[in-house]
Amino acid sequence: GENVEQHPSTLSVQEGDSAVIKCTYSDSASNYFPWYKQELGKGPQLIIDIRSNVGEKKDQRIAVTLNKTAKHFSLHITETQPEDSAVYFCAAGGPKNTGNQFYFGTGTSLTVIP
Amino acid sequence: DSGVTQTPKHLITATGQRVTLRCSPRSGDLSVYWYQQSLDQGLQFLIQYYNGEERAKGNILERFSAQQFPDLHSELNLSSLELGDSALYFCASSAQGFTGEQYFGPGTRLTVT
Repeated sequence: GENVEQHPSTLSVQEGDSAVIKCTYSDSASNYFPWYKQELGKGPQLIIDIRSNVGEKKDQRIAVTLNKTAKHFSLHITETQPEDSAVYFCAAGGPKNTGNQFYFGTGTSLTVIP
Repeated sequence: DSGVTQTPKHLITATGQRVTLRCSPRSGDLSVYWYQQSLDQGLQFLIQYYNGEERAKGNILERFSAQQFPDLHSELNLSSLELGDSALYFCASSAQGFTGEQYFGPGTRLTVT
């Protein structure tokens, strides 16, 4: 099955700096790569996603890049703010013959220092 | 607010017991997914239902079962509970079985003592 690795496990940045979180996946059939933000005591919230026919996608301060050949994708947050502090999860998945399973990375705890 | 609701929010029970977790998907969503989140295992996919039928199975134990009802709400049944079953259980929903985007509920925190 799919194996998703995520790095780093913890990340501290100064407010206003950029943060980058990287993930690799193993299954070349995966074609959908979402990123989730999870705040303490809440469920994961979808913040951005990318499909395998696209190399980069941007939404305001958040961007995701995908390198299908190398099987890795990254989340970029620019001009970080204290409210960006949370745990971020990457996932890989996509339509399979029998479902739409996601395989999640182990999470990155991001702390933005004011 | 994702539009996915889960009850109860917290559940404390003893080993050997059985519990039922409930999930209501977003209005119009046909697919429901169940995930288990524990400290050492991260987010693990358990099972998916689409319009009442089981569509995919992940790392779901035989002691666990689920179903999706005609009104599209879903229940996850956990039986013969063990201490290691203590975790957060999340439900997610998506519009169809194959579109990708999944929206998570707030979760049920299960504590087995």
